This record gives sequence, C-alpha cells and structure tokens, in this order.
Amino acid sequence: DIVMTQSPLSLPVTLGQPASISCRSTQSLVHSNGNTYLNWFQQRPGQSPRRLIYKVSNRDSGVPDRFSGSGSGTDFTLKISRVEAEDVGIYFCMQGTHWLWTFGQGTKVEIK
Amino acid sequence: MQLVQSGEGLVQPGGSLRLSCAASGFTFSSFSMDWLRQVPGKGLEWVSRINRDGTATDYANSVKGRFTISRDNAKNTVSLQMNSLRAEDTAIYYCVRNDYGTIGSWGQGSLVSVSS
Repeated sequence: DIVMTQSPLSLPVTLGQPASISCRSTQSLVHSNGNTYLNWFQQRPGQSPRRLIYKVSNRDSGVPDRFSGSGSGTDFTLKISRVEAEDVGIYFCMQGTHWLWTFGQGTKVEIK
Repeated sequence: MQLVQSGEGLVQPGGSLRLSCAASGFTFSSFSMDWLRQVPGKGLEWVSRINRDGTATDYANSVKGRFTISRDNAKNTVSLQMNSLRAEDTAIYYCVRNDYGTIGSWGQGSLVSVSS
C-alpha cells in the first residue's frame, strides 16, 4: 500500500500568517494516464471532510484563493497564504492514483 | 448532490449491522461508490468499493470476508453489510462518490460502535 506521510501533525498559526503542510508518498502518484491524483481535504470539527484541491493544484469551486496546492511525483504541499479563523480544522491529503486509496494522518491547524 | 446515510448504532462483538446511503442530485449509475472509515481522532481508511453497475467489488484486507458492499441503481442506494463485527471496526463510516482518483461527495457519516 502507498503510505502518505504528512508534516507537521500540529500547526499553530497566527491569524493572517501563512501556513504550509507537506505530504509525501512512498511511491510516485503519477498515473499511467499522466494525471496525478493527489487531493487535499479540510475537516472541521463534527463535520464530514470537504475537498479543497484535486489533481495537485486544482482548487474546488467556492474554495478561497488563499488555499493553493503544489508538488509532483511523491512530494506535495498545501499552502494557506493568510490563515483565517474559519480555517481551523484538520487537513489531510489523499492519493487516488493507486486503486487502494490511502490518506495522510492529518494535520491539525489551530490559531495561536 | 447529496449522500444521506442511515443505519448507525451500537453492536456487540460478533454482531451485524447494515449501513445504507441514499444518493440524489447526480446520475448515481455513472459513478463507482466507496465506503471509508475514520476512527475518531485518527486517519481515514478505505474500506470497500463497488463499480457503476455493481458487477465488481473490492475490499480492504481488514474487512474481506466479513463486509459486503452492494448497490441498487433503481433506488440510488449503496449499502454496506457488516458481519462478524470486531472492536477494531468501531469508527465513523462514510459513504463517498468515487470520481476516479478523487472523492466528489461525502455522506454525513455513520457511527458504528462495537462493544459488549
């Protein structure tokens, strides 16, 4: 199975400051069709996860443009340019390239 | 689009429970469907998948032989029959729409607790 490793697991951030989360996979996430199915989700307390980013860098409709995704191969990053109070929650990456989907452990973003 | 789950509860070890998920707002028969689970406070685990017409299914090794996924495209529903439940099956179970390499929609989650 592909192992997805996120860091850090806890991320205290000052309002208005940037935040960055890393996600690394044990194998390349480039599919045979040329796409890279690396996704980022946000889970607020007591809610189902919500997708923010798909295929590395494509932002979902309604997702603020302060969220951005980047990376390639086995190394990916989610960035929040200026953290707002509503961004508190757990963020996790997920690979959908290989048939058995796997997820990062999650990064808890909180306000300092 | 919406996925509404039902069937959560407390079950004794060795018992059974059936989770259901009703889809609306999209062409259900055009998508594979998956079940995931999340132990509270921990990461997500993929559990099972069924293809668009229900002719192919896959399971995580941890549930193979105990869980069965099925779907009814006429009723826009997907189900997960869970037998021989163990304490380690305790989790929140999510029904999700498989958008080929990504998740297009999530159910609200169903809490399954296995305890005597």
